[in-house]
Amino acid sequence: GENVEQHPSTLSVQEGDSAVIKCTYSDSASNYFPWYKQELGKGPQLIIDIRSNVGEKKDQRIAVTLNKTAKHFSLHITETQPEDSAVYFCAAPNQAGTALIFGKGTTLSVSS
Amino acid sequence: NAGVTQTPKFQVLKTGQSMTLQCAQDMNHNSMYWYRQDPGMGLRLIYYSASEGTTDKGEVPNGYNVSRLNKREFSLRLESAAPSQTSVYFCASSGSRGSYEQYFGPGTRLTVT
Repeated sequence: GENVEQHPSTLSVQEGDSAVIKCTYSDSASNYFPWYKQELGKGPQLIIDIRSNVGEKKDQRIAVTLNKTAKHFSLHITETQPEDSAVYFCAAPNQAGTALIFGKGTTLSVSS
Repeated sequence: NAGVTQTPKFQVLKTGQSMTLQCAQDMNHNSMYWYRQDPGMGLRLIYYSASEGTTDKGEVPNGYNVSRLNKREFSLRLESAAPSQTSVYFCASSGSRGSYEQYFGPGTRLTVT
């Protein structure tokens, strides 16, 4: 928490390719790492999250991996589809554990 | 369940005018949040309320005030709007302390001229 950096800021892939978005965090005590998807004109929506006692979590075509030693976590989307086009945000708790600190977002474009 | 609702959806203000953004949730959540979203800046926390009767400053609180009216409602007030407050504002809520999953409203697009 407290500082969350997200890369890349934009990502363009062809339909069917994989997409990977990475985030690093500064607070080694952080224990919860969510990913949100924001479609045009809507509020962000949670798509997957991981807690620090797990290294990887999958849900169909999306997965999140966590490396606590390096303090980074990644979102993996396989077999991308045009409807995956959106802005994706990572987040981590603040030091007090009372709120989330969000990364600056990645705009993913999937072309068919 | 409507989830998190926000009013208005759009608003245009002149510099110096005041207004209140309304937010309500029907999920019996304890915590509520106000964020602003600007291009290239992500979601920045303005204020949050961990429980009814408490409010705390986030990353960018200057120029804003909040009121946690009851467990359901959390309002954001701009006393004297400035062009720098042109943004999209999102309200969110989450369950008990330690439950970090946040549910977002549809947003309010505010323009200050």
